[in-house]
Amino acid sequence: AQSVAQPEDQVNVAEGNPLTVKCTYSVSGNPYLFWYVQYPNRGLQFLLKYITGDNLVKGSYGFEAEFNKSQTSFHLKKPSALVSDSALYFCAVSSAGGSYIPTFGRGTSLIVHP
Amino acid sequence: DAGVIQSPRHEVTEMGQEVTLRCKPISGHNSLFWYRQTMMRGLELLIYFNNNVPIDDSGMPEDRFSAKMPNASFSTLKIQPSEPRDSAVYFCASTVALGTIRETQYFGPGTRLLVL
Repeated sequence: AQSVAQPEDQVNVAEGNPLTVKCTYSVSGNPYLFWYVQYPNRGLQFLLKYITGDNLVKGSYGFEAEFNKSQTSFHLKKPSALVSDSALYFCAVSSAGGSYIPTFGRGTSLIVHP
Repeated sequence: DAGVIQSPRHEVTEMGQEVTLRCKPISGHNSLFWYRQTMMRGLELLIYFNNNVPIDDSGMPEDRFSAKMPNASFSTLKIQPSEPRDSAVYFCASTVALGTIRETQYFGPGTRLLVL
């Protein structure tokens, strides 16, 4: 069975500071890893995806995520947070050798303070 | 481009009734996904299609749920009969280049379903 843990329900960061939203996973074999974001007024959006290759994946709006196989982590990062980044972030995992249907984490609420 | 279009945006129905949700993907996109979001179960991918063919429906919760994609510009998700626990927001998304690094899913605004 595959699973995802987002250990923080909420992350608070000041505007301009770097942000990290944590995600760890468990899956049989190699993973496909995803980040999604849900904005209050802009709906659900796909941020980025790791399939294979470079461990650092670059996505939309300046976000990136680092795949760490030894730590089974896929943390989402951004060098400088904006107030408009405040949203709910979901991490998801599926098995590269199995069903593409991912298992989602419960979500982390990111609040960026001016 | 109008983006992914979903209808209706809101649906209120009574238990036992049939519910049909509709989705029009972005023109040129050949993969389509149906998601469900609830407070209890979070976000779930129910089924996805590639080139109008259902590829994986292992996320579909029960036989009461069915999805079709008769052509590249239209998909339906049907619940028959509906139950109160089906109340959720249902999202549709579409993309090209499924399973590649170029994949970027674009989501519709969702259909908020309430089953009384």
